[in-house]
Amino acid sequence: GQNIDQPTEMTATEGAIVQINCTYQTSGFNGLFWYQQHAGEAPTFLSYNVLDGLEEKGRFSSFLSRSKGYSYLLLKELQMKDSASYLCAVRDLDAGNKLTFGGGTRVLVKP
Amino acid sequence: DSGVTQTPKHLITATGQRVTLRCSPRSGDLSVYWYQQSLDQGLQFLIQYYNGEERAKGNILERFSAQQFPDLHSELNLSSLELGDSALYFCASSKSGGQGDIQYFGAGTRLSVL
Repeated sequence: GQNIDQPTEMTATEGAIVQINCTYQTSGFNGLFWYQQHAGEAPTFLSYNVLDGLEEKGRFSSFLSRSKGYSYLLLKELQMKDSASYLCAVRDLDAGNKLTFGGGTRVLVKP
Repeated sequence: DSGVTQTPKHLITATGQRVTLRCSPRSGDLSVYWYQQSLDQGLQFLIQYYNGEERAKGNILERFSAQQFPDLHSELNLSSLELGDSALYFCASSKSGGQGDIQYFGAGTRLSVL
């Protein structure tokens, strides 16, 4: 099976940086995804990592270490609209290549 | 707008009833996925279809069933509804379901069972 852990909640100040960690255990790792979800809305795709290293996309970056079963999502220059839940999801070849989501990290951005 | 369309947006029904949720995938996408999101649980994968065929199954109850039609739209049928089935139901679609394939989510159907 799979086990995906991420913190439940984080608080940060507008303009600051926040790093959301995600650890996972999977037998057939086949990619890691980050999604943003505002309350009651659809998850929206942020980033995808399948090889080790950092992927940068504007204010958002995602890092992956396959040997450590670890990823993080970095949000820079925080804006109030970044207040949302951030979902880490892992694709597992040994589980029919389906996506398993972590419980999400709720980020609250304060002025 | 992700391009994935779900109807209805809201559904209120009573215990024991049956409902059908509908999903139209993005143009060109062959795979459709159904997820359930309750307040006390994260996003739970229910089932995946690829080009009309069931490809993967998650923790889908026997009271729930789904299908994907030749025009690639999909329906999720929930029967003998219980209070605990109240949740947000999301549909997602992707090109193929292979490595690197990105799932795009619809706006969801909020089901309230009273």
